Amino acid sequence: AQSVAQPEDQVNVAEGNPLTVKCTYSVSGNPYLFWYVQYPNRGLQFLLKYITGDNLVKGSYGFEAEFNKSQTSFHLKKPSALVSDSALYFCAVRGRSSGAGSYQLTFGKGTKLSVIP
Amino acid sequence: GAGVSQTPSNKVTEKGKYVELRCDPISGHTALYWYRQSLGQGPEFLIYFQGTGAADDSGLPNDRFFAVRPEGSVSTLKIQRTERGDSAVYLCASSSTIEHNNEQFFGPGTRLTVL
Repeated sequence: AQSVAQPEDQVNVAEGNPLTVKCTYSVSGNPYLFWYVQYPNRGLQFLLKYITGDNLVKGSYGFEAEFNKSQTSFHLKKPSALVSDSALYFCAVRGRSSGAGSYQLTFGKGTKLSVIP
Repeated sequence: GAGVSQTPSNKVTEKGKYVELRCDPISGHTALYWYRQSLGQGPEFLIYFQGTGAADDSGLPNDRFFAVRPEGSVSTLKIQRTERGDSAVYLCASSSTIEHNNEQFFGPGTRLTVL
């Protein structure tokens, strides 16, 4: 079975400071990894994904994430946080097998990011 | 272009009633997914369709839940004899194909409240 852990329920960061939202995963074989953001009363919006190749993935709104296979991590980062980045962030994993259950995304519980002016 | 749409945005019902939740995916997307998001949790997979057929319904919690996609586009999630524990936000997503590396595009969700 695949799983995702987001160890921090909430992350607070001052505007202009770098931010990191942590994610670790467990999956059989090599993973596909995704980050989504959820604003209040809105659906999840895709931010970025890791498929293969370069371990540093760049996505929307200046976000990036680093895939670390040995640590089974996929932490989300941004060099300079904006107040508008305040939202709920979800990490998700999908395996590469073709068996039953392989097409679903497995999400973490989410991390609430608050950027303080 | 239009994204994934879901109706209604909110549904309040009484315990024991039947409800239908509708999802209209992005035009041309062959894969459609339903998830359920409880308060303070991430979305949990319910079922996905490739075309008209339910390719994986392993996430449906019990036989009170059923979903259809008769023409390979719009999908309806049906819940019979609703229970208070069914209260959650039901999310629909679609992707262009079922390839594992394709991101899923989510709708705004339907918030179901069972009194």
